[in-house]
Amino acid sequence: AQKITQTQPGMFVQEKEAVTLDCTYDTSDPSYGLFWYKQPSSGEMIFLIYQGSYDQQNATEGRYSLNFQKARKSANLVISASQLGDSAMYFCAMREGMAAGNKLTFGGGTRVLVKP
Amino acid sequence: DTGVSQNPRHKITKRGQNVTFRCDPISEHNRLYWYRQTLGQGPEFLTYFQNEAQLEKSRLLSDRFSAERPKGSFSTLEIQRTEQGDSAMYLCASSEGQGVTNEKLFFGSGTQLSVL
Repeated sequence: AQKITQTQPGMFVQEKEAVTLDCTYDTSDPSYGLFWYKQPSSGEMIFLIYQGSYDQQNATEGRYSLNFQKARKSANLVISASQLGDSAMYFCAMREGMAAGNKLTFGGGTRVLVKP
Repeated sequence: DTGVSQNPRHKITKRGQNVTFRCDPISEHNRLYWYRQTLGQGPEFLTYFQNEAQLEKSRLLSDRFSAERPKGSFSTLEIQRTEQGDSAMYLCASSEGQGVTNEKLFFGSGTQLSVL
């Protein structure tokens, strides 16, 4: 079974509008962390935001916020006020367990194209 | 902090040849990870090191693949007898190794391998 599922292969969004990228995950471990990374065409993966399984509040980082619904096992990324530079691939990832050495498992990604 | 550095950026080789990639992590980062990414997919975990010790290897890492991290600094990934299916982007990442669930990975720009 897929650990991380991103059902939207691609999305268009108008500049200055908000966009929500879906991510659902599967784990039986009560302790886990969820990450979102951005990958522009240059190839480098850029960390955006983190949500821990025990965090009571949804994470926010500037224009990025995470809509964490634990019971539904979803961790959707919201990008507000989209900019042309937001055009990129976006990946949701999960680390299971307390050990930071545990690997990140990535979803298949969503390509976002911001239209002027 | 110069970030994670990977060399070469691109490698074209003929089937059956051996190739070696290098990754220089962020200095003082204890953990180093290798991932493989094919076009349109998310990164897939290959292996990771804690200092010089290789602690986990994926089933994806066949016996033609070998990774080393001598002295716990830079790392090399060698692929012997390359096959066309090895064509992919090979990503390296490092992390501090503090043992917390929210520890993020810092990625390099990757090495794009094309096997002809």
